[in-house]
Amino acid sequence: SQQGEEDPQALSIQEGENATMNCSYKTSINNLQWYRQNSGRGLVHLILIRSNEREKHSGRLRVTLDTSKKSSSLLITASRAADTASYFCATAAQAGTALIFGKGTTLSVSS
Amino acid sequence: GAGVSQTPSNKVTEKGKYVELRCDPISGHTALYWYRQSLGQGPEFLIYFQGTGAADDSGLPNDRFFAVRPEGSVSTLKIQRTERGDSAVYLCASSLSTTDTQYFGPGTRLTVL
Repeated sequence: SQQGEEDPQALSIQEGENATMNCSYKTSINNLQWYRQNSGRGLVHLILIRSNEREKHSGRLRVTLDTSKKSSSLLITASRAADTASYFCATAAQAGTALIFGKGTTLSVSS
Repeated sequence: GAGVSQTPSNKVTEKGKYVELRCDPISGHTALYWYRQSLGQGPEFLIYFQGTGAADDSGLPNDRFFAVRPEGSVSTLKIQRTERGDSAVYLCASSLSTTDTQYFGPGTRLTVL
């Protein structure tokens, strides 16, 4: 079963625009992670945010976490064509345990 | 350094056959995870190892699926009497026991005809 729900399911933007993806989950978590996947193969880890954190930044990525609403958002600023991929949020109930993934958001960035 | 590797990258088999999928984790990573991903879905957890022992196998769909990690490094996922519904990409990930970041391999695409 899947814990998270990403929203929107698909997003199309122009290069240079910002992309925002949202993730909601159902049960309490230790941490939430965002991954990127190209062409349905290996996942690339983007960022991890712990349950006691509210916001983290990494380069052009900004992640927020609202545990009271059980939701997270991923913002990609100044998007590039190379950002075209599927993005997944994944939650861990406890540190080091299995990740529960959502269905993902498919992002298309056109030049 | 070398990342997680998985072999084979693609496996085509016939219904009823036995298959083995291999995962080589990042050197020094004590935790190893197996997931599978069907088309259009996110990965679903199967089993995870801490060292040689299975810490959580609650995601294995039935007793046709089995995984081992005898020396605490390489792991093999074994599927008996394959069914068409087993067709998916099987992903392996590893992590240091003291951190939470899981690093994924490229996956094995299993097709059961």
